[in-house]
Amino acid sequence: DAKTTQPPSMDCAEGRAANLPCNHSTISGNEYVYWYRQIHSQGPQYIIHGLKNNETNEMASLIITEDRKSSTLILPHATLRDTAVYYCIVRVNSGYALNFGKGTSLLVTP
Amino acid sequence: SAVISQKPSRDICQRGTSLTIQCQVDSQVTMMFWYRQQPGQSLTLIATANQGSEATYESGFVIDKFPISRPNLTFSTLTVSNMSPEDSSIYLCSVEGVAGVWETQYFGPGTRLLVL
Repeated sequence: DAKTTQPPSMDCAEGRAANLPCNHSTISGNEYVYWYRQIHSQGPQYIIHGLKNNETNEMASLIITEDRKSSTLILPHATLRDTAVYYCIVRVNSGYALNFGKGTSLLVTP
Repeated sequence: SAVISQKPSRDICQRGTSLTIQCQVDSQVTMMFWYRQQPGQSLTLIATANQGSEATYESGFVIDKFPISRPNLTFSTLTVSNMSPEDSSIYLCSVEGVAGVWETQYFGPGTRLLVL
């Protein structure tokens, strides 16, 4: 699986959009980009995933660049409950384990 | 999605003893995974458990230390054997292929283990 690079930490004001970047410059054509988050002391929570098109669900939007070498997870209106570690993971296909890196620790402040 | 429970949620154990962690899913799932998260660290895969076959272990993890059972499509156990303080971690199970639908992995709440 391709390696990902994320900033170790970010801050965001409550109510503002949180934009979390991820670099995956060695991604292969059949690899998907997944985002999970882990709120303190809980199991990781699936957020969203995509191959090459932008995706949106009730939690977030995923913007993947045209060359697929980077992506951005957008939380449109961050709340204090969005404070968590966010993991960007690249994976070949379903049925394979997830390779968790260090992630980005997002702190949402009042 | 799937509802996943783990037992126990936490435990404090003495070195040299063993602990069996249970993972129960409310739907039939094809694949189950066991991860470990050491204090302040990210998640590391221990093994993949498929029903009807031996678990597949990652480098650095061995069956004698972490035996796994997968008796059916909704249940798995992970045993941490002959524990030492270095085994103090959060142990998480995850599942994929819920009711035959392949989408992503869903995680249980984790078991917090402290070895004294």
